[in-house]
Amino acid sequence: DSGVTQTPKHLITATGQRVTLRCSPRSGDLSVYWYQQSLDQGLQFLIQYYNGEERAKGNILERFSAQQFPDLHSELNLSSLELGDSALYFCASSVDARPQPQHFGDGTRLSIL
Amino acid sequence: DQQVKQNSPSLSVQEGRISILNCDYTNSMFDYFLWYKKYPAEGPTFLISISSIKDKNEDGRFTVFLNKSAKHLSLHIVPSQPGDSAVYFCAAANAGGTSYGKLTFGQGTILTVHP
Repeated sequence: DSGVTQTPKHLITATGQRVTLRCSPRSGDLSVYWYQQSLDQGLQFLIQYYNGEERAKGNILERFSAQQFPDLHSELNLSSLELGDSALYFCASSVDARPQPQHFGDGTRLSIL
Repeated sequence: DQQVKQNSPSLSVQEGRISILNCDYTNSMFDYFLWYKKYPAEGPTFLISISSIKDKNEDGRFTVFLNKSAKHLSLHIVPSQPGDSAVYFCAAANAGGTSYGKLTFGQGTILTVHP
């Protein structure tokens, strides 16, 4: 158990819809990261938050947004969903914003029908 | 542009033997490297890391070697056990840059250890 909790585990929705993925980091971790893993792909970095502020951005689509709340949990919002957004979405956390081992949740599997 | 590459999609090894997983990178700014293991339906689990100031780091059965001039790192597992069967990802970061904690991952190598 990594201590990182992601909900829901599975999400099935239709094109054009909007969903919210939730992540609770490990106790004491201030930094949260979101990654996307599509079929046969490695993990692609989306965005990083540290203590409530955005710190780094990857190839995140404009239809996607995230935030980190005062209690340090984070949400990833995906809107105007397309079939190609079907993927595993992982959240990870670390103590601070510097490169270091990140601890991953078990992911949310998003299926767009 | 794939900056971290794991060219072997799969590797099969006999129990008790050595497993060697390889990873190449192209971005010379990377100076911190990690290996993760992933089982089905679980998130990646951190195994071992190495900073570019070292060329070897060891933790139990796991050793990571870094060859900066060749932009190559490898993970050695000795002895291999059936429970090591999983997908292994290498990842890299630029500790000195503005990308903060962002990790760039390879595509993964499926390791199968046969009893």
